[in-house]
Amino acid sequence: GAVVSQHPSWVICKSGTSVKIECRSLDFQATTMFWYRQFPKQSLMLMATSNEGSKATYEQGVEKDKFLINHASLTLSTLTVTSAHPEDSSFYICSARRHQETQYFGPGTRLLVL
Amino acid sequence: KQEVTQIPAALSVPEGENLVLNCSFTDSAIYNLQWFRQDPGKGLTSLLLIQSSQREQTSGRLNASLDKSSGRSTLYIAASQPGDSATYLCAVGEFGGTSYGKLTFGQGTILTVHP
Repeated sequence: GAVVSQHPSWVICKSGTSVKIECRSLDFQATTMFWYRQFPKQSLMLMATSNEGSKATYEQGVEKDKFLINHASLTLSTLTVTSAHPEDSSFYICSARRHQETQYFGPGTRLLVL
Repeated sequence: KQEVTQIPAALSVPEGENLVLNCSFTDSAIYNLQWFRQDPGKGLTSLLLIQSSQREQTSGRLNASLDKSSGRSTLYIAASQPGDSATYLCAVGEFGGTSYGKLTFGQGTILTVHP
């Protein structure tokens, strides 16, 4: 149990376009979902925390107007990278947690902005 | 602000060796500590989770210890195999309040086990 999926697994887009990444908890209801970003050869950095039905809490230095997070249901959170630029190219990983349990991580989405 | 450091950054060993990966953190008020494995271009696989009240956890050839007072954890891998080659990440879970459960990751140790 406790499977988290992400879609798409990779995406290539032109600079200036917006990209939406989905994170789903397949077999449990996630009260909280987290979004991380990982640049090459670096560790995961938390971008934001989202609780179902409320606004996301962004980490310092993360632009909330650029990285739109929606957690509309207990099984789905979306991250939209608006007006993407090459510097947004990265590996985006989500995780999901039910109540006070551990986080379960998705397989990640690789974004390349040309 | 919690900071997590992993040493060494990279490690290359021959198959069969026992090895130790180190993780240190600056704030001892933690909820838990996890060790993850990440293969190139992939997501994270949770290896071991140690609650703040625990001293160690074991799973197969893996053993993780936690010393909260000194801000240290070690991951011990016995009889290493080429399939163990991956990046190993240590992550510390924050204790409470609005940051409850927030994970702070170390930079990782890249392990290569050669035949």
